[in-house]
Amino acid sequence: GAGVSQSPSNKVTEKGKDVELRCDPISGHTALYWYRQSLGQGLEFLIYFQGNSAPDKSGLPSDRFSAERTGGSVSTLTIQRTQQEDSAVYLCASSFWVQETQYFGPGTRLLVL
Amino acid sequence: GEDVEQSLFLSVREGDSSVINCTYTDSSSTYLYWYKQEPGAGLQLLTYIFSNMDMKQDQRLTVLLNKKDKHLSLRIADTQTGDSAIYFCAGYFGNEKLTFGTGTRLTIIP
Repeated sequence: GAGVSQSPSNKVTEKGKDVELRCDPISGHTALYWYRQSLGQGLEFLIYFQGNSAPDKSGLPSDRFSAERTGGSVSTLTIQRTQQEDSAVYLCASSFWVQETQYFGPGTRLLVL
Repeated sequence: GEDVEQSLFLSVREGDSSVINCTYTDSSSTYLYWYKQEPGAGLQLLTYIFSNMDMKQDQRLTVLLNKKDKHLSLRIADTQTGDSAIYFCAGYFGNEKLTFGTGTRLTIIP
C-alpha cells in the first residue's frame, strides 16, 4: 500500500515569508509525528498527533511554528515569518497507534534565503 | 531525558561485517528500532526487536540486545556499497516520543 507522502519535496522561500508543509500518513494510522533534521544533525522532535489532537507540542521551536491535523488524516506544519535557521529537512512519520512502529515520509527540504 | 548514544562514524571494507552500536539509559522501551537514512532520503525502517528478545536475525541483519548493559547492536553481514548510509537506533523510553540516537554514518571502503 501507499506509504507516508509529503509535499512539497523541496521548498525555497525568502526570509519572512510563511510556508506550509503537508503530510499524508498511511491510511488507518492514528498517530502522526513531525521531526526536523538540520544539515548533518540528528532528528529533532517537533510535535505529534493522536487523532486530531496534539498532546505534546513541547518540541515546537517557537511560536512561529504551528501544526494542525483535520479529519484524523492529513497534517499541515506551518512556519510563519521564516528565518534562515529554519532551513532543514522536515520529516513526517505515522504509526497505527502511539508507541508503535513509525514509518517515515521522504521529507520536505526547506531552504530559507 | 533519555540519552541514546551512537558512534558517529564507521568505515568497513566491502564484504566485511559492519557492527553498529547503540547504548541507552532507560530500559523501558517495548521495542527498539533500527532505521537507515540514505543521502537525501527519509528514514527507512530496517528492523526492530522486542525487548524480551536477545537476538533477531533478518537475512543479512542481526540485532543483539543486552538489556543488562542497555546495549543494542546491528550487524550487517557481507557489507555492500548500497549499505552506505546513516543508521539510527530508536526507542520509546517512557513516553510517546520516539527518541533517536545520534546516528552512525557507515562508509564502505571498496
